[in-house]
Amino acid sequence: EIVLTQSPATLSLSPGERAALSCRASQSVSSYLAWYQHKPGQAPRLLIYDASNRATGIPARFSGSGSGTDFTLTISSLEPEDFAVYYCQQRSNWPPITFGQGTRLEIK
Amino acid sequence: EVQLVESGGGLVQPGGSLRLSCAASGFIFTNYWMSWVRQAPGKGLEWVANIKQDGSEKYYVDSVKGRFTISRNNAKNSLYLQMNSLRAEDTAVYYCVRIWIRTFDHWGQGALVTVSS
Repeated sequence: EIVLTQSPATLSLSPGERAALSCRASQSVSSYLAWYQHKPGQAPRLLIYDASNRATGIPARFSGSGSGTDFTLTISSLEPEDFAVYYCQQRSNWPPITFGQGTRLEIK
Repeated sequence: EVQLVESGGGLVQPGGSLRLSCAASGFIFTNYWMSWVRQAPGKGLEWVANIKQDGSEKYYVDSVKGRFTISRNNAKNSLYLQMNSLRAEDTAVYYCVRIWIRTFDHWGQGALVTVSS
């Protein structure tokens, strides 16, 4: 089973700042990594697939990078609606399908 | 527009059973793998089960093997999760999810399952 470790657990930033969220895999997942945004009471939303491709309708301020075992989700300039929990997920080796434990992005 | 609408959640006693349903619309249901993903209170996302387009392949997380059964009715554009021998640790919001290139591209709003006496 591939274990995904996200850091930091919580990130406190202000609107307008740049956010960088990390996801590290226990073994190579090539570029087969996705990122999701989850707000309380809402369905999770796919942001990025295959490490760097934005899903349909996702604003350009969201970008993904990395390959192998180290990945980053970057939000270039935080909007108020971006404060949420973010999860990474690998599709390289399944089952099982695994998620990271999440990074909570909170308003400073 | 893709829509996934879960139903069937509720309160059940430990050891009991519950069946979740998901009504899919806005896409060709038979073209996609489908999945259930859950989130326990205060916890992260956890994949539960997958099913292939024709139902010929099914996969489960170890913690539900032998207790949960995923199924689908393509004629009704519906996905199901039969949950038996429920435990307190199965308490969660259960999401019906469409799979695209092994990625979860559309999610329902979720159904709350509470296992408690």
